[in-house]
Amino acid sequence: GEDVEQSLFLSVREGDSSVINCTYTDSSSTYLYWYKQEPGAGLQLLTYIFSNMDMKQDQRLTVLLNKKDKHLSLRIADTQTGDSAIYFCAELYFLGSSNTGKLIFGQGTTLQVKP
Amino acid sequence: NAGVTQTPKFQVLKTGQSMTLQCAQDMNHEYMSWYRQDPGMGLRLIHYSVGAGITDQGEVPNGYNVSRSTTEDFPLRLLSAAPSQTSVYFCASRPGQGADEAFFGQGTRLTVV
Repeated sequence: GEDVEQSLFLSVREGDSSVINCTYTDSSSTYLYWYKQEPGAGLQLLTYIFSNMDMKQDQRLTVLLNKKDKHLSLRIADTQTGDSAIYFCAELYFLGSSNTGKLIFGQGTTLQVKP
Repeated sequence: NAGVTQTPKFQVLKTGQSMTLQCAQDMNHEYMSWYRQDPGMGLRLIHYSVGAGITDQGEVPNGYNVSRSTTEDFPLRLLSAAPSQTSVYFCASRPGQGADEAFFGQGTRLTVV
């Protein structure tokens, strides 16, 4: 079955880089996502990566994908206090020959940014 | 644009009561889903729908029913609430079944006492 794992907490100082890690089990995943949840709000898509890529950069965000190890990471450069939130890794999982992709989420990593 | 709208935002139920969490989207999305969020467990898929009249079970469907009579609405029914259903519930919609971005509602915080 599908499973997505993340560490639960990360604390960094303002201005440092943050690296949030994620591992997944489904080798057929085609898309992997990072969502951000601010307190009291729903989730918002930050970025995503296709499984045939190994890196994607979007302003302060860098996503690295190691398909061999099934490891995904999100690096936030120059972390700001406004980046404090819960970050969810998610994979798009297709069961068998179904063309219905289900989003499977990790537990979420709480990022605390200290001034 | 309203996006995905969930009501109510907060609810307290007594054990055994029933209620319906409402979810509506105005983006003409085919795919809608319900998740529950519990501390340390991330979001777990309860039920999903790939279009009007079509629903299917996710990871944790027991104790919940859904229906999809229109493209816009995807209500989640708790038949007989239990304390284990205390959680934050999120509705999400996507344009299709593939890799499109999922849009989330603001969540419903449910407490069952």
